[in-house]
Amino acid sequence: AQSVTQPDIHITVSEGASLELRCNYSYGATPYLFWYVQSPGQGLQLLLKYFSGDTLVQGIKGFEAEFKRSQSSFNLRKPSVHWSDAAEYFCAVGEAWANNLFFGTGTRLTVIP
Amino acid sequence: GAVVSQHPSWVICKSGTSVKIECRSLDFQATTMFWYRQFPKQSLMLMATSNEGSKATYEQGVEKDKFLINHASLTLSTLTVTSAHPEDSSFYICSARTTRSVHNEQFFGPGTRLTVL
Repeated sequence: AQSVTQPDIHITVSEGASLELRCNYSYGATPYLFWYVQSPGQGLQLLLKYFSGDTLVQGIKGFEAEFKRSQSSFNLRKPSVHWSDAAEYFCAVGEAWANNLFFGTGTRLTVIP
Repeated sequence: GAVVSQHPSWVICKSGTSVKIECRSLDFQATTMFWYRQFPKQSLMLMATSNEGSKATYEQGVEKDKFLINHASLTLSTLTVTSAHPEDSSFYICSARTTRSVHNEQFFGPGTRLTVL
């Protein structure tokens, strides 16, 4: 069965520091992978996605993620965090032959000055 | 492009009443729309998938008689919470796939906060 694990429930980083949010998935075939960001009381905004090809994908707001098949991971990174990046981040995996997206439990990011 | 709106953004209702939430794709046609529910500090749980012109497919454990979904056009899906109770209070988010979507890409609405008193 498909599943997504985000091991870190809450991460705190200083503004300007680098960031890495972890995501591990379980899926039999090549997954379609997504990272979404959700600000309090808001819907989800797509940061980036991976379908195939180059395993390092660039997204909006300076985010990038790397697909590592051997580790079943799709970690999100940003070299320098801004205070406005404080939000909830969700990793999701999609199936090739179905409509569903499976979401991880999310990682809440706090940015301190 | 690919903007999804929801209305209302928040609603408060009395226990026992029904509430309708609209999900619209503003600049594209959505053959498939999804309804998710999100409890505080938790992830999104898929409730149902609706295809234009056909009955919605509900996930296991979701009461289809309580959460009525209608997808009457390619730009509008509605979720009606019937006989709402306080335990139905939650954040409801819809998403949509375009007719050109590949790889399960979905576009999400801003969500509707439902509070049942």
